[in-house]
Amino acid sequence: KQEVTQIPAALSVPEGENLVLNCSFTDSAIYNLQWFRQDPGKGLTSLLLIQSSQREQTSGRLNASLDKSSGRSTLYIAASQPGDSATYLCAVRVSGGSNYKLTFGKGTLLTVNP
Amino acid sequence: GAGVSQSPSNKVTEKGKDVELRCDPISGHTALYWYRQSLGQGLEFLIYFQGNSAPDKSGLPSDRFSAERTGGSVSTLTIQRTQQEDSAVYLCASSRNTEAFFGQGTRLTVV
Repeated sequence: KQEVTQIPAALSVPEGENLVLNCSFTDSAIYNLQWFRQDPGKGLTSLLLIQSSQREQTSGRLNASLDKSSGRSTLYIAASQPGDSATYLCAVRVSGGSNYKLTFGKGTLLTVNP
Repeated sequence: GAGVSQSPSNKVTEKGKDVELRCDPISGHTALYWYRQSLGQGLEFLIYFQGNSAPDKSGLPSDRFSAERTGGSVSTLTIQRTQQEDSAVYLCASSRNTEAFFGQGTRLTVV
């Protein structure tokens, strides 16, 4: 059974700091990995998608890496801003068969202080 | 449509009543997912559709929960005889088996 763990559960940083969020998963046979952000009372917004054959993806100030063999992914946020405050969720999609469900971690609650 | 649309956005119902939650996926997306997010909890998988069939319904918590999808598009999640523990945000997502896109969710409150 795939399990996804995110560390830390919560993080508070001053504005402008670079930061790293961690995600680990137990089964390396994944199809892809996706990072989302969730604002309070809202749905999930997709940030980055990494296919199993890829090592990293970048979008603006965000960079996500994937190391399948060790079951890890990191989300790097450069020059953090108060608007980055949200919960960040990591999800993996298993590969094979007809089961393509996403398995989520419990998220990291990020607060960027002005 | 431009994104995944869910309705209603909020639903308050009395314990014991049935409720229906609707999801309109992104046009052309063959995969559709339902998740539940309880207060302070992570996302709990409920059911996955590929076209109109549901190859994985392992997350439905009890036989009071059911879902269907018609025309490879709209999906309805039905909860019968609602209980207070059913109170949560119900999220729907769609994908073409690559990137998943979520709706804004339906907040269900059972009183």
